Amino acid sequence: GNSVTQMEGPVTLSEEAFLTINCTYTATGYPSLFWYVQYPGEGLQLLLKATKADDKGSNKGFEATYRKETTSFHLEKGSVQVSDSAVYFCAYNTNAGKSTFGDGTTLTVKP
Amino acid sequence: DADVTQTPRNRITKTGKRIMLECSQTKGHDRMYWYRQDPGLGLRLIYYSFDVKDINKGEISDGYSVSRQAQAKFSLSLESAIPNQTALYFCATSGYRGDIQYFGAGTRLSVL
Repeated sequence: GNSVTQMEGPVTLSEEAFLTINCTYTATGYPSLFWYVQYPGEGLQLLLKATKADDKGSNKGFEATYRKETTSFHLEKGSVQVSDSAVYFCAYNTNAGKSTFGDGTTLTVKP
Repeated sequence: DADVTQTPRNRITKTGKRIMLECSQTKGHDRMYWYRQDPGLGLRLIYYSFDVKDINKGEISDGYSVSRQAQAKFSLSLESAIPNQTALYFCATSGYRGDIQYFGAGTRLSVL
């Protein structure tokens, strides 16, 4: 069935380190892909999205490229900050209008 | 003001009690959703509604019911709360197929 698999956490990095959080999906058709971020005590909010193959979503220094051939949407950031500490969720939407979310990856960035 | 408002933010209740979680949105969206979040399990869809007259079960609807009182309001009820319903509950809304979902801040529910 449809699913999203994210890299397991928690992930702990030092400030200015490079970040990669892997995400792969199993879905039929051509879903839209999303990364959401959840800061402590808050709901999820959109970080970036991509709607078709080879699209690159970007925001706040984060990037992810829609790779249809590998069904992946890995999140990257070249230099993380303490303020990036949060839980990150990969998700996709199909034309049926529902979202499927990964289990979330907790990132902690230390000064 | 927040686009999606959930009340209450925190609730402690006892086994067997009926409780209602409320959600309202000012985005003008037709689509609304209820999820629960448990540690290590991500978000799981409880119910969703694509308009006022359309309500659908999600993957974990047993023990829950919903009411879509208006385009802007979607409430979740636990008919007889049990301890394994202790979780963080989120309401969300979206505009159309494949669109971004906007989340409320969540309701933390504890069933003793």
